[in-house]
Amino acid sequence: DAGITQSPRYKITETGRQVTLMCHQTWSHSYMFWYRQDLGHGLRLIYYSAAADITDKGEVPDGYVVSRSKTENFPLTLESATRSQTSVYFCASRGGGGARNEQFFGPGTRLTVL
Amino acid sequence: DQQVKQNSPSLSVQEGRISILNCDYTNSMFDYFLWYKKYPAEGPTFLISISSIKDKNEDGRFTVFLNKSAKHLSLHIVPSQPGDSAVYFCAASVVNTGNQFYFGTGTSLTVIP
Repeated sequence: DAGITQSPRYKITETGRQVTLMCHQTWSHSYMFWYRQDLGHGLRLIYYSAAADITDKGEVPDGYVVSRSKTENFPLTLESATRSQTSVYFCASRGGGGARNEQFFGPGTRLTVL
Repeated sequence: DQQVKQNSPSLSVQEGRISILNCDYTNSMFDYFLWYKKYPAEGPTFLISISSIKDKNEDGRFTVFLNKSAKHLSLHIVPSQPGDSAVYFCAASVVNTGNQFYFGTGTSLTVIP
């Protein structure tokens, strides 16, 4: 399927467990992003990547790890999940050409940490 | 510290009338602004954008106005349609430093048929 996909769409885990959220895009976009959406905060950037093997922190990176070995994939790992990481997570991508280019968002992953 | 603020969590408008969604920002370095629309259980989708060199950008029923001195932008939807019912996020960025968009908290618009 063309576009940007996320898996799983829903995940329930327990405090202290490791969980990985997957993101895959088929456009060969250079840039990929991870956001979390929380009531009262809107969308906040966790990490982003400008190309394979290049990643950088966003606004709220603590407790998360990312990697980007292939252009099309950008997994987000919570190494030891906490209740405060219960949220809806969105992956996004955009092509080059500067920040004027719109970001395309995936459908989101709803994560609950018990 | 929220650099982009949407002070109205919700808005209800009659079908056919104008919807006005507002957004304020604090960082004077922002030079590019966007509006995204989000339906439940879906990711946000791009709606319209404006560069700081302009004060207005129009696309069909959607117009974005930018008042740099007031650090304020607004989205006008005319005429409003029931399918416009969604959450609207404004976002801002500094183009030259590149990659981070700062999003507001969103306004939930309901268009009443």
